[in-house]
Amino acid sequence: AQSVAQPEDQVNVAEGNPLTVKCTYSVSGNPYLFWYVQYPNRGLQFLLKYITGDNLVKGSYGFEAEFNKSQTSFHLKKPSALVSDSALYFCAVRPPGTYKYIFGTGTRLKVLA
Amino acid sequence: SQTIHQWPATLVQPVGSPLSLECTVEGTSNPNLYWYRQAAGRGLQLLFYSVGIGQISSEVPQNLSASRPQDRQFILSSKKLLLSDSGFYLCAWRQSGEMNTEAFFGQGTRLTVV
Repeated sequence: AQSVAQPEDQVNVAEGNPLTVKCTYSVSGNPYLFWYVQYPNRGLQFLLKYITGDNLVKGSYGFEAEFNKSQTSFHLKKPSALVSDSALYFCAVRPPGTYKYIFGTGTRLKVLA
Repeated sequence: SQTIHQWPATLVQPVGSPLSLECTVEGTSNPNLYWYRQAAGRGLQLLFYSVGIGQISSEVPQNLSASRPQDRQFILSSKKLLLSDSGFYLCAWRQSGEMNTEAFFGQGTRLTVV
């Protein structure tokens, strides 16, 4: 079955430190990969996507993500975390030839001042 | 630019009552439309998606139904709500005709069935 895994329910990081939020997927073919952020009682906001090309993609608010095909991973990163980055982060994939987005269970990021 | 509207923002309904949540998209035509449910502030479950007027795909058999009466309107309904229907409902759209596009989400409706 096609799936997305976010192995960490919560990630804590000190402000100013680098952060990584992990995502792995199990999808046949070459899926499209996405990261979204959600603030309390709000919809999801798109951060970045990987379609093809350079394995390091840059997105909104200083976030970037690294695609690793051999490890089927798409980890979200930021060089220096801000307290305002504290939110719920979702990884998603869309298998090729489909209309459906499959989401991970989310990782709560807490940036400590 | 494109925008998505979803309403109401919050809703408290008694068990057994009907439900109608509406979502509309502006600034685009023939979008792909989606309804997701988020339980307990975590994972998203795809409920329905639509690639055109009158075309609805159901992902999970349940107490809900969806309709797309107009190109940019997507409605989530129930004839009789259950307690288990409580959750945060999210509508989303994406540009059709391009396979590499992301989905954009509305602000959500928090439904509490009492």
